[in-house]
Amino acid sequence: GQNIDQPTEMTATEGAIVQINCTYQTSGFNGLFWYQQHAGEAPTFLSYNVLDGLEEKGRFSSFLSRSKGYSYLLLKELQMKDSASYLCAVLDSNYQLIWGAGTKLIIKP
Amino acid sequence: DAGITQSPRHKVTETGTPVTLRCHQTENHRYMYWYRQDPGHGLRLIHYSYGVKDTDKGEVSDGYSVSRSKTEDFLLTLESATSSQTSVYFCAISEGRGDTDTQYFGPGTRLTVL
Repeated sequence: GQNIDQPTEMTATEGAIVQINCTYQTSGFNGLFWYQQHAGEAPTFLSYNVLDGLEEKGRFSSFLSRSKGYSYLLLKELQMKDSASYLCAVLDSNYQLIWGAGTKLIIKP
Repeated sequence: DAGITQSPRHKVTETGTPVTLRCHQTENHRYMYWYRQDPGHGLRLIHYSYGVKDTDKGEVSDGYSVSRSKTEDFLLTLESATSSQTSVYFCAISEGRGDTDTQYFGPGTRLTVL
């Protein structure tokens, strides 16, 4: 079957750095997405990786290793507004998005 | 922000009643999707559409039907609602279904079936 694993919950301190991991086993791979979802709101797109390596976008960076079936989202200079769930999703061989259950990130002052 | 609206935003209904949720887009995107989101689960695809009157099933389609008579509207119908269909329903749209076609989400509908 297809599976995406993320930690259920993480806690970090305002101003610090946090890394949210995602491992996947899917039938084929056509890219990996990260979304942010604040409580009670819709998911919003953060990043897309299809090649190995690091993609940087402001305070957020996303890394992909296709050989290891592994990605991470790195958030720097954490702000209270970064408290949210972070969803990892893989586009499989049929171009269907397979979603992880999400990681709830709690930021403490 | 992508122009996607969902209605109603909240609904409480009783077991056995029919329910229709509406998704409306102003982006003229070809693809539209219905997902449900439940605690402990990732978003799960119910149905999707790749054009007017062109739809296909997702992984959790049992108990749901869809219709798309206009590019901008995608309807999700629960023919006879059950308590297991209590969930948050999200509509999403994308221009295509390729590897760079990001999905953009509507605000969601919170459905409670008593």
